[in-house]
Amino acid sequence: EVQLVESGGGLIQPGGSLRLSCAVSGFTVSTKYMSWVRQAPGKGLEWVSVIYAAGSTNYADSVRGRFTTSRDTSKNTLYLEMNSLRVEDTAVYYCARDGGYGFYFDCWGQGSLVTVSS
Amino acid sequence: EIVMTQSPATLSVSPGERATLSCRASQSVMTNLAWYQQKSGQAPRLLIYSASKRATDIPARFSGSGSGTEFTLTISSLQSEDFAVYYCHQYDNWPPLTFGGGTKVEIK
Repeated sequence: EVQLVESGGGLIQPGGSLRLSCAVSGFTVSTKYMSWVRQAPGKGLEWVSVIYAAGSTNYADSVRGRFTTSRDTSKNTLYLEMNSLRVEDTAVYYCARDGGYGFYFDCWGQGSLVTVSS
Repeated sequence: EIVMTQSPATLSVSPGERATLSCRASQSVMTNLAWYQQKSGQAPRLLIYSASKRATDIPARFSGSGSGTEFTLTISSLQSEDFAVYYCHQYDNWPPLTFGGGTKVEIK
């Protein structure tokens, strides 16, 4: 069974750093495009980043230079390192897997809440 | 960046009735469009990809249509479990991947 389980969220002050993890089971994380998608409270979905199967990455303009996506194939886990956090980064962060026939998302984690507040 | 616009923002429908949700892209995305359902407090769930293909285990009452800039998600006979927020998502031209603002389907 395919499962994505996020962890690492919490309350952090503006300017702080946090690392989210997404533990993957049921497939190998390095064989798929894997993304982070976030949702601010009461708002819609916003794509954040992708790590391609080959290992390169891409980011939304709103987080480029502050967030880093990586993976550890030995742990079959995806990461999102978030630095210089801002109040507007407050959101539920989901990891999501690409569907294989295009860059849509066929499997999502349950989400991890990040609250940036003083 | 491709802007996705969904309408209406809220749709009030009685159980058993048909619901028609619209999604418009600011430029052609061919058929590289997906639809998701999100219930309160849950992660989104893939319903439709490639504009009209149902994802695994999605009931036949959900159907998608359209190409280019105009797309429709139809729920033929609303069940109680279908009341949720629905998002469209283009994956033709990226980064960035972009989503519509959502349509909330509520009980009339």
